[in-house]
Amino acid sequence: DAGVTQSPTHLIKTRGQQVTLRCSPKSGHDTVCWYQQALGQGPQFIFQYYEEEERQRGNFPDRFSGHQFPNYSSELNVNALLLGDSALYLCASSLDRMNTEAFFGQGTRLTVV
Amino acid sequence: AQSVSQHNHHVILSEAASLELGCNYSYGGTVNLFWYVQYPGQHLQLLLKYFSGDPLVKGIKGFEAEFIKSKFSFNLRKPSVQWSDTAEYFCAVNWGNNNDMRFGAGTRLTVKP
Repeated sequence: DAGVTQSPTHLIKTRGQQVTLRCSPKSGHDTVCWYQQALGQGPQFIFQYYEEEERQRGNFPDRFSGHQFPNYSSELNVNALLLGDSALYLCASSLDRMNTEAFFGQGTRLTVV
Repeated sequence: AQSVSQHNHHVILSEAASLELGCNYSYGGTVNLFWYVQYPGQHLQLLLKYFSGDPLVKGIKGFEAEFIKSKFSFNLRKPSVQWSDTAEYFCAVNWGNNNDMRFGAGTRLTVKP
């Protein structure tokens, strides 16, 4: 049983570009959350997707958007990249919206130059 | 604002020493509390969680945590650490029905053999 998988593992983008990160949740999980983890900090909640809709959002600008597909997989899109968007982006899936037990992927390391 | 504080950035212990990592959160009310661990090169894994009931929670690998509501704390403990416990430890909190899980900045634990 595969856990949470994220792609790509590493990515380098230029300021102003757009990026799409992908996440496949653990089998049977229908809720996906995205987090941004800057160096030396804990993960920061970006948003949660459930039933293909954004259910809750953290303190991130509209440049950050997402999508959830009928198979529960999810994408995180970031537009107009800034240097400060460089971070590890984590996807977590769970069986319920309260994250009773969230399973994390390995993350995508995004570097903006 | 709702926040989570972890007091120690880096803790260095010898094998067999006892461990206590501090975690405090702002605001009272109903909280769900978590400790996650990230071993070198691996993804975040759930160590233990508290939702209700006995405030002393036992998790995997001999870890436990105590919820003290009056102190807004959820400290992680282990009576005798092993070299394999070397990792980064994150405390996380959900408030009430809020699905936004807030993480502390993390504590890096180094256990010397």
